[in-house]
Amino acid sequence: DADVTQTPRNRITKTGKRIMLECSQTKGHDRMYWYRQDPGLGLRLIYYSFDVKDINKGEISDGYSVSRQAQAKFSLSLESAIPNQTALYFCATSARDQPQHFGDGTRLSIL
Amino acid sequence: SQQGEEDPQALSIQEGENATMNCSYKTSINNLQWYRQNSGRGLVHLILIRSNEREKHSGRLRVTLDTSKKSSSLLITASRAADTASYFCATPYSGTYKYIFGTGTRLKVLA
Repeated sequence: DADVTQTPRNRITKTGKRIMLECSQTKGHDRMYWYRQDPGLGLRLIYYSFDVKDINKGEISDGYSVSRQAQAKFSLSLESAIPNQTALYFCATSARDQPQHFGDGTRLSIL
Repeated sequence: SQQGEEDPQALSIQEGENATMNCSYKTSINNLQWYRQNSGRGLVHLILIRSNEREKHSGRLRVTLDTSKKSSSLLITASRAADTASYFCATPYSGTYKYIFGTGTRLKVLA
C-alpha cells in the first residue's frame, strides 16, 4: 500500500462546484503539504501544516481551504471551483528537516 | 518568484551518456534536495545535501553544492532509458521548513 494516498486520482467538475481532495498517510509524519503543479511552473505550495493545530498559507492559498482532521489526514477544498484551478494537485508529508514523500496526485479539471 | 531554478529546462541524451542539470537559488539554505518525477506520478526524493557538504553520491547520482554561488548540480552517470523523467531541486524558503521547488529539468534518455 502507498504511504501517501490521495483521493480521488482524477476528477472532472463544473465551475462553481465545491470540491474536496483528500490525503492520508501511514508514515507517521507530523508535517503535511498541498501543492499544485501547472505545466512550466513547477510545484507551488498552497497550504502546509506542521501538526494538527498548525495550518499555514503557502504561495497561492486564495480560493483554497484546508482541514487537518488528524495527524494522518489533510484535506484540500475548493469552495467554488473556477477553470484556472485546473491542475495536478499533490499532497506530501515529511518529518522535521527530512525529505518530503509525495502521493501520486489528483488530476483536477474544471469545466 | 521561484527560489530554485533548474537549468536546462530540457535535456535529451543517448543511453550511456552522462546528464548534468543545475539548480540556482536565492537565499541562504541549510539543505537542498533533488527529486525525480516520472510522467503522471508524484515526486520521489533522490538526495538531500546539507549546507556543510560539498558533494554527495548515491549510486549513479552525484550532487554538488556551492553555497558561495548559491548553486547545485545533479549528475546522472551512464544514463538509462528509465532515467527519463523530470528532475526538481527544492530549497527551504527563507529559513523556514517549507520548501520551494524549481520548474524542473525534463530529461529524455534515448535508447
